[in-house]
This record gives sequence, C-alpha cells and structure tokens, in this order.
Amino acid sequence: AQTVTQSQPEMSVQEAETVTLSCTYDTSESDYYLFWYKQPPSRQMILVIRQEAYKQQNATENRFSVNFQKAAKSFSLKISDSQLGDAAMYFCAYRSRLGTSGSRLTFGEGTQLTVNP
Amino acid sequence: DVKVTQSSRYLVKRTGEKVFLECVQDMDHENMFWYRQDPGLGLRLIYFSYDVKMKEKGDIPEGYSVSREKKERFSLILESASTNQTSMYLCASSTGGTHEQFFGPGTRLTVL
Repeated sequence: AQTVTQSQPEMSVQEAETVTLSCTYDTSESDYYLFWYKQPPSRQMILVIRQEAYKQQNATENRFSVNFQKAAKSFSLKISDSQLGDAAMYFCAYRSRLGTSGSRLTFGEGTQLTVNP
Repeated sequence: DVKVTQSSRYLVKRTGEKVFLECVQDMDHENMFWYRQDPGLGLRLIYFSYDVKMKEKGDIPEGYSVSREKKERFSLILESASTNQTSMYLCASSTGGTHEQFFGPGTRLTVL
C-alpha cells in the first residue's frame, strides 16, 4: 500500500516571502500522480497543482511550483510571493494509475500554513 | 463549474442513532468518495464508488456503509453512531478521464 508523509504539521511565512512544504511518499509503482490540495479555513478543498510521475519536468502554476524527485520519492511545494490568501491547510496526495483503485487518493497528514502580514 | 454538495454542514447525533450523510454531484462523474478528516491524520478514505450500485472499501470502512442508487448521489451511513465517529466528513467526485477530485464543503458530525 502507498503511504504519504508530511513531516511539517505547521509552517509560517511572511507575506511576499517564499515557503516550501515537504512531502514524501512510498510506493512500488513506477507510474502515478501526485497532487497538492489546499483547504482554506471553512472552505472547500481545491486542487493547487498536479504532477505526473512519467514527466521529468516539475509542474508550475503561477506562484506555485513543485520539486519532484522521483528516486527520492519526494514531492515538495514551493509558494513564491506568499499572500494572505495562501493561509490554509495543505495536503499532499498520491494516486495510482492502476485498476479501479486508480482513481482513489492517499493523503498525507497535512501542513497548516500561516501567512504573517 | 463542478458542484459537490453535502446535506448538512453541522450535525449533532446521539450514540446509537442511525446517521445518513448525503452527497450530490452535478457533473455526471463516475467516481464518488467518502473521507473522514481528523487532526494529524489527514484524510482517510472510508468507501468509494466507481459506478451506480458499485462500491469498494477504503482504508477505514468499519462502522460505516454506503449506498449509490443513482449516479449523482452517494450516501454514507453510520448504522449505530459512536463517539469515535465524531469527525469532519468530506465527499468528493471525479471522472475516470481526469485526475482531479472535486470536494464538497464537508459535514462536521458530533456524536454525543
């Protein structure tokens, strides 16, 4: 079974600064997807960024980028020019590409990000 | 936009009661999921369904059952609620062709 670990329960960053959230995972599969989801306070979870394991290039979405290290099974999220609206719980998630279970996600424990003005 | 709705944002029930949590999605998604979210544990999958009347156990199915009679609706049932089922429950849906799950707002269930 796959596992996802986020070793930073809480992080904080100053507005306009850069912060990196860590995620490691364990799998025996070679083809899969990795995600970062954001859950703002009292609001719905939304997708921030997605990485396909067969792509070597790191995904980017505006101020959000990932550092995907497949051999190390590491998938960190970098938020540049942090804004107050980035304050949220962030979850790293893994998705297999196999069978009917291919659509299910395995989540990490979450990292609570605080953005200080 | 995809919309996933859940029947209640907050729910308080007594130990031993039968509890129904309803989830509806409006985008004709094949897959639907029920998670519970607890501090320090992240989201854990309870059950999921990849078609009408089809279901599979997730990682923590004990004490729960599900029903999917129509494609757009996925119900989570607590047959006899217990205090350790106090939690936030999140529903999600996705299609087979995309990789993103769309989440509902969550139901915060308290069992007294």
